[in-house]
Amino acid sequence: AQTVTQSQPEMSVQEAETVTLSCTYDTSESDYYLFWYKQPPSRQMILVIRQEAYKQQNATENRFSVNFQKAAKSFSLKISDSQLGDAAMYFCAYRSGSSGDKLTFGTGTRLAVRP
Amino acid sequence: KAGVTQTPRYLIKTRGQQVTLSCSPISGHRSVSWYQQTPGQGLQFLFEYFSETQRNKGNFPGRFSGRQFSNSRSEMNVSTLELGDSALYLCASRRGLQETQYFGPGTRLLVL
Repeated sequence: AQTVTQSQPEMSVQEAETVTLSCTYDTSESDYYLFWYKQPPSRQMILVIRQEAYKQQNATENRFSVNFQKAAKSFSLKISDSQLGDAAMYFCAYRSGSSGDKLTFGTGTRLAVRP
Repeated sequence: KAGVTQTPRYLIKTRGQQVTLSCSPISGHRSVSWYQQTPGQGLQFLFEYFSETQRNKGNFPGRFSGRQFSNSRSEMNVSTLELGDSALYLCASRRGLQETQYFGPGTRLLVL
């Protein structure tokens, strides 16, 4: 079974600075997808970024980028120029390329942004 | 385009009762999945539906069931509610196999 580990329960960053959230996963599959979702206090899960395992290039979405290390099974999220609105729970998630919709989530990292 | 909608948003039930939660996917999305989120267990996959067929099921007791209608709307039902069923229930939809899932705002269920 696949597992996703987020070893940082809480992180804090100064506004306008950069922060990196860590995620590792375990799988024996070669076809899979990785995601970072953000859950603000409203509890709505919002997609931040997605990475296909077959792509070597790291995904980027504006201020958000990932460092995907396939051999090390590591998938970290870098948030640049942090903003107050970035404060939220961040979940790393894994989805197999062959088993439908099931997302396996990590335990989350709570990010605080200091003004 | 409207996002995933879930009704009701909040619900209070007592032990032993049953509850039905509804999820309307994004227009054009045919796949719907459900997740339970609790402080203790985190986010756990419940089940997944595509074209009215359950494709995958998580490790939950038979009290948890679901269905999908021809318009892709989905319902989940929990019978004989227990205190431990108190949770945020999230629904997500996606258009196709390679696509990303988008989540609704959730239904917060409190069992007393």
